[in-house]
Amino acid sequence: QMQLVESGGGVVQPGRSLRLSCAASGFMFNSYGIHWVRQAPGKGLEWVAFISYDGSNKYYADSVKGRFTISRDNSKNTLYLQMNSLRAEDTAVYYCPKERGWGQDRGYGLDVWGQGTTVIVS
Amino acid sequence: QSALTQPASVSGSPGQSITISCTGTNSDVGSYNLVSWYQQHPGKAPKLMIYEVSKRPSGVSNRFSGSKSGNTASLTISGLQAEDEADYYCCSYADSNTLVYVFGTGSKVTVL
Repeated sequence: QMQLVESGGGVVQPGRSLRLSCAASGFMFNSYGIHWVRQAPGKGLEWVAFISYDGSNKYYADSVKGRFTISRDNSKNTLYLQMNSLRAEDTAVYYCPKERGWGQDRGYGLDVWGQGTTVIVS
Repeated sequence: QSALTQPASVSGSPGQSITISCTGTNSDVGSYNLVSWYQQHPGKAPKLMIYEVSKRPSGVSNRFSGSKSGNTASLTISGLQAEDEADYYCCSYADSNTLVYVFGTGSKVTVL
C-alpha cells in the first residue's frame, strides 16, 4: 500500500539547521508532487512547501521562504526538507503528504500522509 | 494569506447531522473547485475525507458530503457516530507565486 515515512526530527537550538527526510513506497513516487505540512503543538495545519514530480517547480509559504529548501531524489524515492536558521515558531510535527494530482498538478487534495516527525526548536 | 475561517467547535447527538462551514475569499475557495476536507483524531495524521469540493475517496463513508457556495465551503456529516469525534480541517487551493494550499482554522466535532 502507499506509504510515506518521515524522519530526521529532533531537538535543535535556535539558529541551527536540520534536514528532514520522507521515504515513499507503494506508488510511483516520480509521478506525483509532494508537500510538507506542519502542525505546531495544539494548533492547526499549516502548508509549508511543495515540489513537483520532477523537482522543476517549488513553492514555499512566506513563513519559511529563504530558510527552508525542499528537494527530492526520485532514484531513492525520497523527499527532503532542509531547514536553516530555525526559530522557536518552527516547532511542530512535520508531515509530507502526497498530492492527489498527477505530474505538475496541485490543489487536488492530499491523499497519503505519513505519521509525521517532530521538530523542537529550543 | 490568512487561514480559512471555520467554527471552533460543532457538536451533535448520535444519528444527527452536522455541518461545518469554511469561509475563504475570492482568491481561494471562491475561485477554484479545489476544496478538500481532512479528519484528524488526537495524535494521528490527517485523513482525506473530501476532495474537489464534493468527491469522496474510496473507503470514506457516504455519511460525509461536501458542497460549496461562493466563498464558503461546507462539510456535512450525517448519521453522526461516536468515531466521527475528531478535528476537521478544510483546505483550498490558492494559486499564487508563494502559496499552493491554505488550510482552515480547524473545527472540533463533539458527539454528545
